[in-house]
Amino acid sequence: NAGVTQTPKFQVLKTGQSMTLQCAQDMNHEYMSWYRQDPGMGLRLIHYSVGAGITDQGEVPNGYNVSRSTTEDFPLRLLSAAPSQTSVYFCASSYGLAADTQYFGPGTRLTVL
Amino acid sequence: KNQVEQSPQSLIILEGKNCTLQCNYTVSPFSNLRWYKQDTGRGPVSLTIMTFSENTKSNGRYTATLDADTKQSSLHITASQLSDSASYICVVSLRGSTLGRLYFGRGTQLTVWP
Repeated sequence: NAGVTQTPKFQVLKTGQSMTLQCAQDMNHEYMSWYRQDPGMGLRLIHYSVGAGITDQGEVPNGYNVSRSTTEDFPLRLLSAAPSQTSVYFCASSYGLAADTQYFGPGTRLTVL
Repeated sequence: KNQVEQSPQSLIILEGKNCTLQCNYTVSPFSNLRWYKQDTGRGPVSLTIMTFSENTKSNGRYTATLDADTKQSSLHITASQLSDSASYICVVSLRGSTLGRLYFGRGTQLTVWP
């Protein structure tokens, strides 16, 4: 049981490039989400999903795209990277909604030059 | 406005000492409050979850308390160890909420010195 895995661990992009951050969980959790964490700020929700085929926007969705074709995978796409997207990105999953523990992945540190 | 405020922002203690971290929130209506531990370079890990009716919950040397009337929570760490050095994050959720209604504090950075 690997929990929540994220790839890559580190990534450097140039402004305007696109890329996909991968997230997978093997706990059969319905709920998955993406957060970004910036210095001195709390985790901020980018997008989330309540099941395969269902996604919704969080607090800071602009510049990011998601899809959920399977229960296990929830990739995050950066459409055209900007320096403001330099951050640490965390994927999380949970069995249920607000009452349940969220399990976080190890994070992806992204730098946009 | 729904907010979660944590104090202190940072804290340094000596190994073996106890400490208490504070979390004040204005989130309403309240569903539950969670404390997470985040080691440097890693994702947050859940320590405790407390609902409205729970006043205290322990996880080893970590004890969380909740006063839903004053909207305050604390995390008490007993007999600190070097491995307790981490950021501790308080998270509050709205009742009946989706994942879009979790409110995160900015965390307290705890450093334990030998």
